[in-house]
Amino acid sequence: GDSVTQMEGPVTLSEEAFLTINCTYTATGYPSLFWYVQYPGEGLQLLLKATKADDKGSNKGFEATYRKETTSFHLEKGSVQVSDSAVYFCALSSYGNKLVFGAGTILRVKS
Amino acid sequence: EAGVVQSPRYKIIEKKQPVAFWCNPISGHNTLYWYRQNLGQGPELLIRYENEEAVDDSQLPKDRFSAERLKGVDSTLKIQPAELGDSAVYLCASRGRDTEAFFGQGTRLTVV
Repeated sequence: GDSVTQMEGPVTLSEEAFLTINCTYTATGYPSLFWYVQYPGEGLQLLLKATKADDKGSNKGFEATYRKETTSFHLEKGSVQVSDSAVYFCALSSYGNKLVFGAGTILRVKS
Repeated sequence: EAGVVQSPRYKIIEKKQPVAFWCNPISGHNTLYWYRQNLGQGPELLIRYENEEAVDDSQLPKDRFSAERLKGVDSTLKIQPAELGDSAVYLCASRGRDTEAFFGQGTRLTVV
């Protein structure tokens, strides 16, 4: 069945460091890919998405490129801030409206 | 535009008691999801509705869990009887045609 694998956390970085959170997927067909973020005490919210191969999703300085050849959708940010501390979830949507999540990666940014 | 509304936000019950969660999706969204999120894990799908039809309930423990979506709008998720292992955050999400899924704040259930 469809699945998403994310790098384990927590990831701890200093402010202004470069961030990469790896995400790979297994799916039938051509899924849409998402990154959701969960800030402390808040609900899940969409960070960015890509709907087809080679698309790049971007938002708030975060980027991720849909790589069909490596079945990956890695999240990157050039310079993280303390306010980026949160849990990040990679997800895919395949046949119909099925929506499958990875286990999540905790990001902690120190000032 | 109002988002997905869930209630209650928190619930503490004793094991073997029943509990119900309510979800009001975004107006016009035909797809509704219920997820369970255990501490430190990603959301796991319990059931997905397309309008009033449950199209994916393969992960719903049907011996104790039930769900309904009357008139294809609001939905309730029930557990009866609750077990200690049911302690988790229960998330509701809705999705419209060609949109991403929007999540509610969740209901944190503690079974003691």
